[in-house]
Amino acid sequence: QQQVKQSPQSLIVQKGGISIINCAYENTAFDYFPWYQQFPGKGPALLIAIRPDVSEKKEGRFTISFNKSAKQFSLHIMDSQPGDSATYFCAASRRGGGADGLTFGKGTHLIIQP
Amino acid sequence: DTAVSQTPKYLVTQMGNDKSIKCEQNLGHDTMYWYKQDSKKFLKIMFSYNNKELIINETVPNRFSPKSPDKAHLNLHINSLELGDSAVYFCASSQDLGYSPLHFGNGTRLTVT
Repeated sequence: QQQVKQSPQSLIVQKGGISIINCAYENTAFDYFPWYQQFPGKGPALLIAIRPDVSEKKEGRFTISFNKSAKQFSLHIMDSQPGDSATYFCAASRRGGGADGLTFGKGTHLIIQP
Repeated sequence: DTAVSQTPKYLVTQMGNDKSIKCEQNLGHDTMYWYKQDSKKFLKIMFSYNNKELIINETVPNRFSPKSPDKAHLNLHINSLELGDSAVYFCASSQDLGYSPLHFGNGTRLTVT
């Protein structure tokens, strides 16, 4: 049972464009929604995270949009750069993920073409 | 100054062998984890420890046994290795059991032949 569905599986965007990755969750008890970025041969690294009390969070070129009623959240990367090429994972958890662990989506392989 | 370090980086072994992966964090965090990333890059929690106490023990074969000698270390021992155990195993740590971010190591790629 996959509790967090992520799409698309792969994405190609031109440099300077907007990259959009979507996730949907099933468990209404989830209250923490982070995005992780993973480069080849490295571990995932936290990019940005949101709690359900806000509908949007922005950090630099990265924005999370959150729709609690639809149980969906998305990552927007503005002015995408070749250095953003990586695999992106959405995740969700109850109580922050420490006690229950993070439930990850299946990942999106993002390629930014120069 | 590596925050979460795992050894070895690569591990190639034959079916039936027993192997261990070591993890150390120098961040002063209370909580440590093992995650498994399969060939399709799917990440799944295996175990977590908080102050050396086992918190999460997901449905993994009991051939996998974590051990936390102290707050800064979490090792993973695997008995009777099987082909299906081939994956990348990531150690991670976080400040506490709450909403603090996970810091992942760079993984151990285990190949069972």
